[in-house]
Amino acid sequence: GENVEQHPSTLSVQEGDSAVIKCTYSDSASNYFPWYKQELGKRPQLIIDIRSNVGEKKDQRIAVTLNKTAKHFSLHITETQPEDSAVYFCAAPFTGGGNKLTFGTGTQLKVEL
Amino acid sequence: NAGVMQNPRHLVRRRGQEARLRCSPMKGHSHVYWYRQLPEEGLKFMVYLQKENIIDESGMPKERFSAEFPKEGPSILRIQQVVRGDSAAYFCASSEMVAGVGSYNEQFFGPGTRLTVL
Repeated sequence: GENVEQHPSTLSVQEGDSAVIKCTYSDSASNYFPWYKQELGKRPQLIIDIRSNVGEKKDQRIAVTLNKTAKHFSLHITETQPEDSAVYFCAAPFTGGGNKLTFGTGTQLKVEL
Repeated sequence: NAGVMQNPRHLVRRRGQEARLRCSPMKGHSHVYWYRQLPEEGLKFMVYLQKENIIDESGMPKERFSAEFPKEGPSILRIQQVVRGDSAAYFCASSEMVAGVGSYNEQFFGPGTRLTVL
């Protein structure tokens, strides 16, 4: 099946700085890469996703880049705010199709005032 | 749209008891997925179901765990004879029907059921 690695496991930034989280995947056939945000005790929520026919996608302060050759994709958050503090998970679909996802191990982002 | 519903939100069981976790997908969604999240870990896929059909259960432990999604009513994840290692948050997600191999639809997660085994 798909193997997804995520780094760093923790990330601390000052408010207003940028944060970057990186993931690598193993299955070159994967073509859908969502990012989820999970606040403490809450459900994971999709914040952005990218499909393999594009290299970058932006939504206000959040962007995702995809490098299919290197098999990695990254989440970029600019002008971070305290409410961005949460655990962020990347994901990729399992080999062989179906909609099931393999998740990375998560990045605990802390935005400090 | 009420979103994905799960109940109970918290469940406490003693070792050897059974745990039943329920998930109602979003209106119009025909696919349900169950994931397990251990403390400070990521989400691990368990099982993927459509109405009356298990599509993929490759992530389910071979014993004690079962899942169903009947024609009427919620999807049920059942854990028999629970052990302390079953303590975790169990999340259900749902999506619209997937068009085919290589197609993906956003999965919407429920609030989770936090199972504690004493």
